[in-house]
Amino acid sequence: DVKVTQSSRYLVKRTGEKVFLECVQDMDHENMFWYRQDPGLGLRLIYFSYDVKMKEKGDIPEGYSVSREKKERFSLILESASTNQTSMYLCASSLGQARQPQHFGDGTRLSIL
Amino acid sequence: AQTVTQSQPEMSVQEAETVTLSCTYDTSENNYYLFWYKQPPSRQMILVIRQEAYKQQNATENRFSVNFQKAAKSFSLKISDSQLGDTAMYFCAHQNNAGNMLTFGGGTRLMVKP
Repeated sequence: DVKVTQSSRYLVKRTGEKVFLECVQDMDHENMFWYRQDPGLGLRLIYFSYDVKMKEKGDIPEGYSVSREKKERFSLILESASTNQTSMYLCASSLGQARQPQHFGDGTRLSIL
Repeated sequence: AQTVTQSQPEMSVQEAETVTLSCTYDTSENNYYLFWYKQPPSRQMILVIRQEAYKQQNATENRFSVNFQKAAKSFSLKISDSQLGDTAMYFCAHQNNAGNMLTFGGGTRLMVKP
């Protein structure tokens, strides 16, 4: 089974802090994704990566950056956290071919105070 | 850009009965993929069923089946013999032909009542 592990299940940070959310997958997947999930809005794509050191903006990249130095790890960075970034963050990975489903982690519920 | 719409924010069904969740989408691509994901209270998103747009036959997975109407851009999920464990948020999603963009609907919260 594919395992996608997010480093924290709950996280509380303060406005202005730099926040790192980590995600690791164990199936040698080429693609990795970061989403945020808000009630009524479903999941919205922040960034994705199709290879090491490669990244593409999703629908809502503002206020976020990402890093993929190794194939199995994809980090989401909030450069200066703000209260409107309080949300659930989900990481996912998939094989590089089309039709392959994404496999998700358990999510990190992030609160910015 | 693709959009996915789930018009039913909440639904409920009695245990053992059948329920259908609606989903419509908009895309300019001719080939693409559609998915239904389930997110139980434990939060992990689980793939329920998938459909490839070039296949006319509706996908089925045990008690789960879809009604895929390509011309109408409709992709509904039918759950037969509903079980308490089916209680969850259900998300419809469209994946582009390249396989690197997944667009989600807003979700339907399904409650199965004993």
